[in-house]
Amino acid sequence: SQTIHQWPATLVQPVGSPLSLECTVEGTSNPNLYWYRQAAGRGLQLLFYSVGIGQISSEVPQNLSASRPQDRQFILSSKKLLLSDSGFYLCAWSVAGDSPHGYTFGSGTRLTVV
Amino acid sequence: LAKTTQPISMDSYEGQEVNITCSHNNIATNDYITWYQQFPSQGPRFIIQGYKTKVTNEVASLFIPADRKSSTLSLPRVSLSDTAVYYCLVGGGYNKLIFGAGTRLAVHP
Repeated sequence: SQTIHQWPATLVQPVGSPLSLECTVEGTSNPNLYWYRQAAGRGLQLLFYSVGIGQISSEVPQNLSASRPQDRQFILSSKKLLLSDSGFYLCAWSVAGDSPHGYTFGSGTRLTVV
Repeated sequence: LAKTTQPISMDSYEGQEVNITCSHNNIATNDYITWYQQFPSQGPRFIIQGYKTKVTNEVASLFIPADRKSSTLSLPRVSLSDTAVYYCLVGGGYNKLIFGAGTRLAVHP
């Protein structure tokens, strides 16, 4: 069966420090991968999505970047964190191709920038 | 991408049936309607998906009228553990699912 792993679960980082969040998927090949962010009490904001290795689409210009070095690995990064980067970060995957499959989300990373 | 509109919040009591309606007037021909449930500090969880008419699974039912411009998620006999945020999304395939604010359902004893 397919599983998605996301780590760390919680992270406290000072302003100006770098960030690296990792997400990996098991049990499937060539998935679509997504990074979402959720501010406290708000809906999910799509940050990046990827349909293949090295293919990254950015939805919102900001202080973050994403990379997909391997088929089932998706990384969210920042060179210098801002206070506004605090939030709940969620990775998700879906079946590739033109099929209406739902998303499966990871357990999330709670990032607090201090 | 079709935009969705759903109530910000709803209240119910244990044992009642809850119906959450979502409007999506600009739904495209190849779009599916998907509902997710999210508990605090967890990722959203897929509940149900449909294209037209009625879909039922072990958790919920989804009613979609012929014009597909709205849909209703029906949760039978809710319990306290159904307290969560429910999201209605429209899309499919390569379309990125865009989450709105969702509906906060509070189930009371």
